[in-house]
Order: sequence, then C-alpha cells, then structure tokens
Amino acid sequence: GNSVTQMEGPVTLSEEAFLTINCTYTATGYPSLFWYVQYPGEGLQLLLKATKADDKGSNKGFEATYRKETTSFHLEKGSVQVSDSAVYFCALSGGSNYQLIWGAGTKLIIKP
Amino acid sequence: DAGVTQSPTHLIKTRGQHVTLRCSPISGHKSVSWYQQVLGQGPQFIFQYYEKEERGRGNFPDRFSARQFPNYSSELNVNALLLGDSALYLCASSSAQGRAGELFFGEGSRLTVL
Repeated sequence: GNSVTQMEGPVTLSEEAFLTINCTYTATGYPSLFWYVQYPGEGLQLLLKATKADDKGSNKGFEATYRKETTSFHLEKGSVQVSDSAVYFCALSGGSNYQLIWGAGTKLIIKP
Repeated sequence: DAGVTQSPTHLIKTRGQHVTLRCSPISGHKSVSWYQQVLGQGPQFIFQYYEKEERGRGNFPDRFSARQFPNYSSELNVNALLLGDSALYLCASSSAQGRAGELFFGEGSRLTVL
C-alpha cells in the first residue's frame, strides 16, 4: 500500500543554516505530494505541494521537488529562522479513496 | 473569515464511555475529513464526507462513526472508548470533491481516555 517515510527528528540547526528534511514515498499511480507544518499550539497548515513529477512546490522560502525516479519529495530551505521551528509532515494523496497518507513528522528546532 | 472550528478542545473520558466531537468547516467548503493523531505520529485518516455522504473510511473499527449535516458541519462519534483512543482528533475541510487537495485543519480536539 501507499506509505510515506520521513527522516526522524528532532533536527536541530542554528539560525541561517541550510535545511533538508528527507521524505520518500511508496505509491501506485501518480499521487500528489504535500508538506504540511504544525507550529506550536496551532493546527496543521499546508506549506507547499506538487501534483506531478518534476514539479517544484515553494512557499515562505521552502522548496520541494517531486522526484518520481527516486520517489522523493525532500523539503529544503536555504536559511532557516527561529520562527521556522515546528513539526513538518510529508503526505501524499491518490488512489480511489479520498485521504492523505502521512509521514510521522519531523520536529525542527532552530537555535538563535 | 473563520477557519475550521472544533469543539471541545480538550476532554477527559473513562473507558467504555461515548464521545462526540464537533467540527464546523470553512464557509463554502462541502467536504469534511476526520483524522486521528497519536502523539509522535502522523495523522491517520478516519472518514471523509462530501455533501452529507460518506466518501471514504479508514481502517478504524465500527465504534467510530460520523455524519455531516445540511450546513456541512460534522460530528465524529466514538463508542465504548478504549485507552488507545486517546489522541488528537483533527477535522479538515476542503472545497474539493475528488482526490484530496488542500486541506484546512482545525486545531483539534484532544481526547484523553482514563
């Protein structure tokens, strides 16, 4: 069945460091891929998405490219800020039922 | 505009009891989904409703049920609560009928079963 695997956290970085959070997936067909973010005390919110191979989603300085050949959708940011501290979830959709399938989440801690 | 609202935000129940969680979607959204998020894990899909009809169901026992009302709000009901039902229950709304598109989440209802 469909599944998503994310790198385990927490990931701790200094401000202005480069960020990569790995996400790989297993899916039949052509799923859409998503990154959601959960800031402390807030609900999940969509960060970016890509709906087909080689698409690049981007938002708030974050980017992720849908790589079908490596079944990956890694999240990157060139220079992180303390305000980026949150839990990041990779997810995919597709198939005959209407649901998102989620990774376990990666907690990101940015130190000033 | 109001986002997705859920109630109650926190509740404590004992094993064997029943719980009802409520969700109001964003105005104009006709699809509501429910997810269970256990601490340290990603959300698990429970149900999706669109136009008051169940369109999808995850791998949860029959103790879990839901419905959607004419105003598109929704209730999630869980009977015969078990300790393992302790989790954050998330409601999400979307305007899409078909494949899951962008979901807008509420802040969740945190259920503790003692």
